[in-house]
Amino acid sequence: AQTVTQSQPEMSVQEAETVTLSCTYDTSESNYYLFWYKQPPSRQMILVIRQEAYKQQNATENRFSVNFQKAAKSFSLKISDSQLGDTAMYFCAFMKPNFIGGSQGNLIFGKGTKLSVKP
Amino acid sequence: DTGVSQDPRHKITKRGQNVTFRCDPISEHNRLYWYRQTLGQGPEFLTYFQNEAQLEKSRLLSDRFSAERPKGSFSTLEIQRTEQGDSAMYLCASSPGTGNLDTEAFFGQGTRLTVV
Repeated sequence: AQTVTQSQPEMSVQEAETVTLSCTYDTSESNYYLFWYKQPPSRQMILVIRQEAYKQQNATENRFSVNFQKAAKSFSLKISDSQLGDTAMYFCAFMKPNFIGGSQGNLIFGKGTKLSVKP
Repeated sequence: DTGVSQDPRHKITKRGQNVTFRCDPISEHNRLYWYRQTLGQGPEFLTYFQNEAQLEKSRLLSDRFSAERPKGSFSTLEIQRTEQGDSAMYLCASSPGTGNLDTEAFFGQGTRLTVV
């Protein structure tokens, strides 16, 4: 069974600074997807960034980037130039590939990291 | 259609009552997922549908939980004989469900259930 571990329950960062959120996972699969989702207070969860395990290049989305270490099963999220709107719960998640008609497709989430961006 | 819609947003019920939640996915999204999120935890997968077919339901927490998606559009999640331990946020998500790279799930705002 797959597991996702986020060892930092809470973190804080000053506005405009850089912060890194940690995530490790356990799986015997060779191909899979990893995600970071953001859940602002009282708002729906949205996808921040996605990484495909067979791609060695780390994914980037504007101020968000990941450090994917497949051998170490580590998937950290770096937020550069932090903004007040980045304040949220951040969840790391794992998913097996989808196949039409197959049963994979659900996300396995970590417990989350509560990030506070301070002015 | 601006996203996944869930109704109601909040539900308070007495222990032993039945409750039903509704989820309207993004139009033309074939896959629909239900998750449960308790305080301090990440979402926990419950079940999912490909169109009207329920392809995975072994993760439903007990036989008091059931879900339907009768016409492949909206879905309902029912909890019978609610218990205090059922208090949680129930999240719905949808995804296009086509192709082998269907990996992005779009979430609704959730239904917060409180059992008193």
